[in-house]
Amino acid sequence: DAGVTQSPTHLIKTRGQQVTLRCSPKSGHDTVSWYQQALGQGPQFIFQYYEEEERQRGNFPDRFSGHQFPNYSSELNVNALLLGDSALYLCASSLTSASYEQYFGPGTRLTVT
Amino acid sequence: QKEVEQDPGPLSVPEGAIVSLNCTYSNSAFQYFMWYRQYSRKGPELLMYTYSSGNKEDGRFTAQVDKSSKYISLFIRDSQPSDSATYLCATDQAGTALIFGKGTTLSVSS
Repeated sequence: DAGVTQSPTHLIKTRGQQVTLRCSPKSGHDTVSWYQQALGQGPQFIFQYYEEEERQRGNFPDRFSGHQFPNYSSELNVNALLLGDSALYLCASSLTSASYEQYFGPGTRLTVT
Repeated sequence: QKEVEQDPGPLSVPEGAIVSLNCTYSNSAFQYFMWYRQYSRKGPELLMYTYSSGNKEDGRFTAQVDKSSKYISLFIRDSQPSDSATYLCATDQAGTALIFGKGTTLSVSS
């Protein structure tokens, strides 16, 4: 049973550029959530997708946007990158009926220079 | 006041010790409480979750929730060097977002 997968593993971008991160959920899961984890901090909720719609959003600017596809996979897009966007970006999947039970992927480490 | 508070440590113990990791939370409406383990440069791994108050045991791990004092604990018995990691407590908000503590870094020496 494949777990949550994310790509790419690492990414280096320049300030002002745009980035797209990808996530495939655990088999059987229909809900995908994205989190940002800065060094030494716990993950911070960005948003959650279910049935291809954004279900809830955390305290992140509109530069952060997402998408969920019919096969439940998801993308996170960040525009106009800032140095402060450097972090580990984590994708988590769950069943919508049990959103408290979220399983995380290995993350994408984004460095903005 | 942050919604979930967790002492970042670090916490260092010898192999075989009993480890106690703790968090407090502020919102009495929270119902589910989770513990995650995160190895360096990896994603968090769900260890266990508890609904409302009470205890839950899984092998060497026991999770405990005291809703009256808004206190969450994770106990690790017979700790092993492989338990060295960052432990994150979390609770759910309205069944969607997870709210995490900052994590406690644990080091178990052999």
